[in-house]
Amino acid sequence: DAGVIQSPRHEVTEMGQEVTLRCKPISGHNSLFWYRQTMMRGLELLIYFNNNVPIDDSGMPEDRFSAKMPNASFSTLKIQPSEPRDSAVYFCASSLTGGSDSPLHFGNGTRLTVT
Amino acid sequence: QQQVKQSPQSLIVQKGGISIINCAYENTAFDYFPWYQQFPGKGPALLIAIRPDVSEKKEGRFTISFNKSAKQFSLHIMDSQPGDSATYFCAASLSYFTNAGKSTFGDGTTLTVKP
Repeated sequence: DAGVIQSPRHEVTEMGQEVTLRCKPISGHNSLFWYRQTMMRGLELLIYFNNNVPIDDSGMPEDRFSAKMPNASFSTLKIQPSEPRDSAVYFCASSLTGGSDSPLHFGNGTRLTVT
Repeated sequence: QQQVKQSPQSLIVQKGGISIINCAYENTAFDYFPWYQQFPGKGPALLIAIRPDVSEKKEGRFTISFNKSAKQFSLHIMDSQPGDSATYFCAASLSYFTNAGKSTFGDGTTLTVKP
């Protein structure tokens, strides 16, 4: 089991640039989640997918943020244009069924720094 | 509105001691209460979880105590070891969303176990 794989591990970009974060969930998991972690706000759910379909994107902070899941093994989170306040660690997580007692498996995150 | 309040923010314990982290929730519809452990540079990982129909669950040195009437639950780490030094997050999720991704996380407790 390779776990949830995220890339890149670190991303440094200038304000106004487009940023794309990538995630490969655990094979066989039906649900995928994007979280953002900051010191000020803790762990925030941005969006989640079930069977590749976005279910709830109410946590996406602004229209600058978008997420896609073109197939069961790949998802992207895009920020365009990026701003310094987007600096955070972004986690992707997957779960087997998406049920309330189906544990989340997190990747190791992408640390984004926007200067 | 913070639905899950976690305390303390940080905790220092001597090796062999007991570490206790507390969480309180507001929404009585929560029906699944996981604890996650996060090491620096890694994503959170499920440690132990409990449902509200059980007052206690033990896995090795880790125990969750659950008080439904008080809307509180806690994590006890017995015989704490330096390797337990990490950040611990409590969480709560809603059954009717049927999705662990809708978990609300506490702000985290940084545990340091001194040798």
